[in-house]
Amino acid sequence: QKEVEQNSGPLSVPEGAIASLNCTYSDRVSQSFFWYRQYSGKSPELIMSIYSNGDKEDGRFTAQLNKASQYVSLLIRDSQPSDSATYLCAVSRTSGTYKYIFGTGTRLKVLA
Amino acid sequence: SQTIHQWPATLVQPVGSPLSLECTVEGTSNPNLYWYRQAAGRGLQLLFYSIGIGQISSEVPQNLSASRPQDRQFILSSKKLLLSDSGFYLCAWSVHGGANTEAFFGQGTRLTVV
Repeated sequence: QKEVEQNSGPLSVPEGAIASLNCTYSDRVSQSFFWYRQYSGKSPELIMSIYSNGDKEDGRFTAQLNKASQYVSLLIRDSQPSDSATYLCAVSRTSGTYKYIFGTGTRLKVLA
Repeated sequence: SQTIHQWPATLVQPVGSPLSLECTVEGTSNPNLYWYRQAAGRGLQLLFYSIGIGQISSEVPQNLSASRPQDRQFILSSKKLLLSDSGFYLCAWSVHGGANTEAFFGQGTRLTVV
């Protein structure tokens, strides 16, 4: 079982729709969760971090965390063609190993 | 503000040649530093991480090594490159010792071994 699992996609949504990206993780000790966006040929850029169960909103982005189910998701409202990218989920512990473990990413395509 | 610099941006090297990629961070002290590799169409594989000068942890046994000669400098090396070393190499940093800290990436080096 991979430590962090994501559906590779592509996930295609029409412009203006809500894109829903999902991620599951296996290490129950994980305490910090992150979403990165990576455009083709570029390095990942941080979009959201979430540390507590529930929802966290930042503009058009909402991260959702459910530690009991070991599940974290990212919602993108009013999707734009410029949101087309690969979205990487990452998890880490807050102590000990200091490692950030990444999923393989979900490719999102927003259709104009 | 903190910035991370990584160079070179692209590199084409023959099989068997040495490698040295450098990463430096500005605007912070004693950061955690990381080297990741991303093969074409794949996720990020953690290669090495460092929580301080001279403290290197290796995640994957392979043809590469890392060093941290100064607080904000992280170097990835190889004595003899293999074809399988091709990929997108990313350096990242995070705040040392802080709870719930985020990792930030450099611009990456695209290495092609021919």
